[in-house]
Amino acid sequence: AQKITQTQPGMFVQEKEAVTLDCTYDTSDQSYGLFWYKQPSSGEMIFLIYQGSYDEQNATEGRYSLNFQKARKSANLVISASQLGDSAMYFCAMREAFMNYGGSQGNLIFGKGTKLSVKP
Amino acid sequence: DTGVSQNPRHKITKRGQNVTFRCDPISEHNRLYWYRQTLGQGPEFLTYFQNEAQLEKSRLLSDRFSAERPKGSFSTLEIQRTEQGDSAMYLCASSLGAGNEQFFGPGTRLTVL
Repeated sequence: AQKITQTQPGMFVQEKEAVTLDCTYDTSDQSYGLFWYKQPSSGEMIFLIYQGSYDEQNATEGRYSLNFQKARKSANLVISASQLGDSAMYFCAMREAFMNYGGSQGNLIFGKGTKLSVKP
Repeated sequence: DTGVSQNPRHKITKRGQNVTFRCDPISEHNRLYWYRQTLGQGPEFLTYFQNEAQLEKSRLLSDRFSAERPKGSFSTLEIQRTEQGDSAMYLCASSLGAGNEQFFGPGTRLTVL
């Protein structure tokens, strides 16, 4: 069964420093997608970054980058230059098998999340 | 605002009552997903629609739950005979196709007393 594991319930980082949030996944599919979402205390899930299983380069979006190590089945999120507004829950998610004929469900499987606190 | 909207944002009900939530997806998105999130957990998939067709339901979706998406636009999620275990945040998301990122609404927080 497909599964996402986030082993860090909580993380602290000093403002302006970089932080890495860990994510490992388990799947037997060859084609899959990995996502990171941010959930502030308001509750809304905010899409941050996406990595496809066939993408050879690590995804980057502004201060966010995804350290994708396919052989180790890890997809860690790196946030550079942390800001106070980065304090939130962060969820790693995997999209279930995306089949070429378009029959994929596409729903996401989420980990339990990591609570990031940025200290001034 | 052209994002995903959900109403109501909060709902408090007594056990045994029926509740209905509404989700308005981003207008051109053909896929719509419902998730449930309990305290300390990530969201869990409930069901999804492609246009007006409900194509998959999770085993989490008991027969007390029903979802519709008439005309492939907004969607409603109804819970009949609510139980305290139904207390959770109900999140709606939409996407253009199965392979693209999902955009989430602000959620409806349900409290069953």
